[in-house]
Amino acid sequence: RKEVEQDPGPFNVPEGATVAFNCTYSNSASQSFFWYRQDCRKEPKLLMSVYSSGNEDGRFTAQLNRASQYISLLIRDSKLSDSATYLCVVRVSGSARQLTFGSGTQLTVLP
Amino acid sequence: AAGVIQSPRHLIKEKRETATLKCYPIPRHDIVYWYQQGPGQDPQFLISFYEKMQSDKGSIPDRFSAQQFSDYHSELNMSSLELGDSALYFCASSQGASGRVVNEQFFGPGTRLTVL
Repeated sequence: RKEVEQDPGPFNVPEGATVAFNCTYSNSASQSFFWYRQDCRKEPKLLMSVYSSGNEDGRFTAQLNRASQYISLLIRDSKLSDSATYLCVVRVSGSARQLTFGSGTQLTVLP
Repeated sequence: AAGVIQSPRHLIKEKRETATLKCYPIPRHDIVYWYQQGPGQDPQFLISFYEKMQSDKGSIPDRFSAQQFSDYHSELNMSSLELGDSALYFCASSQGASGRVVNEQFFGPGTRLTVL
């Protein structure tokens, strides 16, 4: 079982739709949480960090539920340019700083 | 804003050859990470350096080695290349002592290595 699990999709949604991605992590020692987006053959780009209280950045809202070890990303009013693979990423506490990636959820926003 | 720089962007090698990938972190970032992303896979952590010392080691083969230099740039050396080493190799950097718990990592554009 992977440490970080995501629904691979694909999610195909019309422009303007609201779409939600979910992610679960297995290591209860996980300390930091992120959503990255990755376009085809490009590098992962940090979309947002996820804080315990939940956080919002424009059309994007991230939530963290430590008890359930669950992270979510909500995209409102989706744009064509939101089409990408969204990676749920976790960093475990302690000295290790490396990131553990989920396999990603593919989103296509259709005109 | 300055980003992580990687070179070369593309590299083609034959089996059993060696390769060296270079990474220049964002200015004032003192931690460098190397990740490998195979076709259709998520990035897998290889190794990281903090203040020129190896800090963490992931799934890096013994045929690979890396180091961080005094100017904080890093090089990943790969020997006895195998077909399965064909992948995108990303370097990421972050600040080590920023006081922030989160320590976000920023990725370079990657080096696409093809082993024939």
